[in-house]
Amino acid sequence: NAGVTQTPKFRVLKTGQSMTLLCAQDMNHEYMYWYRQDPGMGLRLIHYSVGEGTTAKGEVPDGYNVSRLKKQNFLLGLESAAPSQTSVYFCASSYLSDEQFFGPGTRLTVL
Amino acid sequence: GNSVTQMEGPVTLSEEAFLTINCTYTATGYPSLFWYVQYPGEGLQLLLKATKADDKGSNKGFEATYRKETTSFHLEKGSVQVSDSAVYFCALGTLDTGRRALTFGSGTRLQVQP
Repeated sequence: NAGVTQTPKFRVLKTGQSMTLLCAQDMNHEYMYWYRQDPGMGLRLIHYSVGEGTTAKGEVPDGYNVSRLKKQNFLLGLESAAPSQTSVYFCASSYLSDEQFFGPGTRLTVL
Repeated sequence: GNSVTQMEGPVTLSEEAFLTINCTYTATGYPSLFWYVQYPGEGLQLLLKATKADDKGSNKGFEATYRKETTSFHLEKGSVQVSDSAVYFCALGTLDTGRRALTFGSGTRLQVQP
């Protein structure tokens, strides 16, 4: 099992550009999450999904969109990147328990 | 709302020293509590968890006890190693309707010197 994988690992964008981060899990988990990690602030929830075809807003959703067209994939989109979105992005998934499994992260820099 | 407060770091210890990282929480209902560890350049890994009051989670020599009366879940290890150097996150999870997201503390960096 690969667990949770994220693509890409690193990315540099210019302000106003768009991009999509891909998260894939092979554990048949129902729940998937996108977090951002910023220095001194822990992880903050951006969006989450409780099943295929469903998405919901988390703590800091502004400037991001998500889609869960397939159970194993959860996409995070930035339509018009801003420097404030420079961060490390983590995807996670879980089954019925609260225990979440995390991907290795995507380091995004917006210039 | 839910919140988690951790002691600020970095915490610097010598090898074989005793470790305590404090964690307190505020939550509605009866949360599950977790410690996650993040090694440099990697994602978070579950270290241990406890799902109800007085439970003790343990793994790799680390322990934490769910204390409802003090709303705490302090992480301890009797003898740290250089390989324990990492960032440690305390987190809680509640079964809000339709949601199982975690609330994280800000993380505590541990540096263990030989």
